[in-house]
Amino acid sequence: GAVVSQHPSWVICKSGTSVKIECRSLDFQATTMFWYRQFPKQSLMLMATSNEGSKATYEQGVEKDKFLINHASLTLSTLTVTSAHPEDSSFYICSAPGGGRSYEQYFGPGTRLTVT
Amino acid sequence: SQQGEEDPQALSIQEGENATMNCSYKTSINNLQWYRQNSGRGLVHLILIRSNEREKHSGRLRVTLDTSKKSSSLLITASRAADTASYFCATDGGGFKTIFGAGTRLFVKA
Repeated sequence: GAVVSQHPSWVICKSGTSVKIECRSLDFQATTMFWYRQFPKQSLMLMATSNEGSKATYEQGVEKDKFLINHASLTLSTLTVTSAHPEDSSFYICSAPGGGRSYEQYFGPGTRLTVT
Repeated sequence: SQQGEEDPQALSIQEGENATMNCSYKTSINNLQWYRQNSGRGLVHLILIRSNEREKHSGRLRVTLDTSKKSSSLLITASRAADTASYFCATDGGGFKTIFGAGTRLFVKA
């Protein structure tokens, strides 16, 4: 089946610094990818839709200047958390649709971000 | 924004018992999916049911969909300790967006 990877799997950074998280589709191309955030014991909240070759679409309430998304190729989307604060500590998960008529999403394993 | 609500929020059962989780959603859908997530891990896709389907089976899983009531249920039969996880329903939010419900935390006691 289709595989989506994320890197890093976990990261600790200091408050005020920026962190980049990569999401890759390993054996298929993805013109669209999705970024989710999950706080402990909560559900996944869709943050934004990453579109290859164009600007990302952000969900209401998500600061686009804080969460920079770049979808530079058909297999890679990156999420950069800029000027990170402790409240940005969360589990970030990306996904990519399987393509064709299938609505199945393939999820990455997630990246746990801790901001100290 | 979240589409679905799930109940119960948490469920604790004995190994061998059946576990039923329910999900309700607000808008029309093309399909509904159920996912599983072990603590602090990624998601595992369990099953997808299309809007024109009423029931679907996969191993010990049985999913029903009632579009008139905008609800779905996931039944896990003969539960095992390894089934302990959080279970989420998810609906299509337009295009290929996936919108998740709040989730049910299942604990199966050995």
